[in-house]
Amino acid sequence: GAGVSQSPSNKVTEKGKDVELRCDPISGHTALYWYRQSLGQGLEFLIYFQGNSAPDKSGLPSDRFSAERTGGSVSTLTIQRTQQEDSAVYLCASSHPGRAYEQYFGPGTRLTVT
Amino acid sequence: RKEVEQDPGPFNVPEGATVAFNCTYSNSASQSFFWYRQDCRKEPKLLMSVYSSGNEDGRFTAQLNRASQYISLLIRDSKLSDSATYLCVVNKASGTYKYIFGTGTRLKVLA
Repeated sequence: GAGVSQSPSNKVTEKGKDVELRCDPISGHTALYWYRQSLGQGLEFLIYFQGNSAPDKSGLPSDRFSAERTGGSVSTLTIQRTQQEDSAVYLCASSHPGRAYEQYFGPGTRLTVT
Repeated sequence: RKEVEQDPGPFNVPEGATVAFNCTYSNSASQSFFWYRQDCRKEPKLLMSVYSSGNEDGRFTAQLNRASQYISLLIRDSKLSDSATYLCVVNKASGTYKYIFGTGTRLKVLA
């Protein structure tokens, strides 16, 4: 079946611009995660959605970052007024109810802020 | 101290060798442990879970040492295709969905 998809695969933007990153999880997966991976760094948790519950936004690094999940499916991560330190690969993952540990990752969006 | 620590490597080993990686975690409340594999410029994929009794999947063996708070991954008869970065993953606390990923140990299997 279809895996997690993300778009765009690459995004180059100028400092100060806003960007939107999209994630389509696997159908039926109620849990959705956003992570950030900088060069040589581990995955940094950003935000978690589970069904209709309030999202866990505790990992968002600043108020420039926000995320939505519409209809329990597609999610959008928005970064406002991008900074150079936002450059990273942004990974989305989804998991099946009851198997939260088995996260299926999308291919990521490589964001470069110039 | 980092919540999850791994030796970044790289571990360069010849084909057919046995190689082992350790990963230490700081939170004694963690209950779930996993190894993920990440190929260069690809997304991470679950390799195996780590159970208290240890578990084996073909050439791969994972073990947990709660007393010393570390998990290990042993790869026997290394193949070229095993070359990747191996990520240690620990849940933040019992029952939580929040997982902490280590920075990974890079393995390169040489012909």
